Amino acid sequence: EAGVAQSPRYKIIEKRQSVAFWCNPISGHATLYWYQQILGQGPKLLIQFQNNGVVDDSQLPKDRFSAERLKGVDSTLKIQPAKLEDSAVYLCASSLDLPGGDYGYTFGSGTRLTVV
Amino acid sequence: DQQVKQNSPSLSVQEGRISILNCDYTNSMFDYFLWYKKYPAEGPTFLISISSIKDKNEDGRFTVFLNKSAKHLSLHIVPSQPGDSAVYFCAATPRGGTSYGKLTFGQGTILTVHP
Repeated sequence: EAGVAQSPRYKIIEKRQSVAFWCNPISGHATLYWYQQILGQGPKLLIQFQNNGVVDDSQLPKDRFSAERLKGVDSTLKIQPAKLEDSAVYLCASSLDLPGGDYGYTFGSGTRLTVV
Repeated sequence: DQQVKQNSPSLSVQEGRISILNCDYTNSMFDYFLWYKKYPAEGPTFLISISSIKDKNEDGRFTVFLNKSAKHLSLHIVPSQPGDSAVYFCAATPRGGTSYGKLTFGQGTILTVHP
């Protein structure tokens, strides 16, 4: 089974520039999540999709962050304009919608963003 | 508001000994708990989980204990191996409701197992 694919792996941009990250979840996983992991902290949920609809984006800084999941498969997360504090690893995860177990959560390897 | 806390940033253990990683939570709505392991440049990988209806769950060398009254859980690794060296994250979630599937993570504990 192929894992969650994310690209790019690394990105360095200047503050006020824009950047986009891409995620391809595991086939058949209806739920997709974007997490932000700042160095020294645990991952923090930014947005959750169920198929192509947003379930929860309460922790997404909507003045600069946006995300979409077209056709309920791939997803992109965009930051415009970027700030220094956005430097973090952006993790995408997908899961089955079955209760119990480990929620079938699978994380991608992440995109490490450095804003200079 | 840190709802899941791992108060030990790092832990160093000798190979073959027991590693004990601790986690505390404050949200009474959490009733499902998970441990993830993370190597550098990789995403977190699921290790073991426990439901609030249990106080212990075991999988090979890994055992998770839950003390619901103290809102505390711990991960025991016996015996510890050098390949266990990684960052360990505790995570929690309610099982139902609108927060279903949303994980709240602790800050992580860096485990180093010395040969």
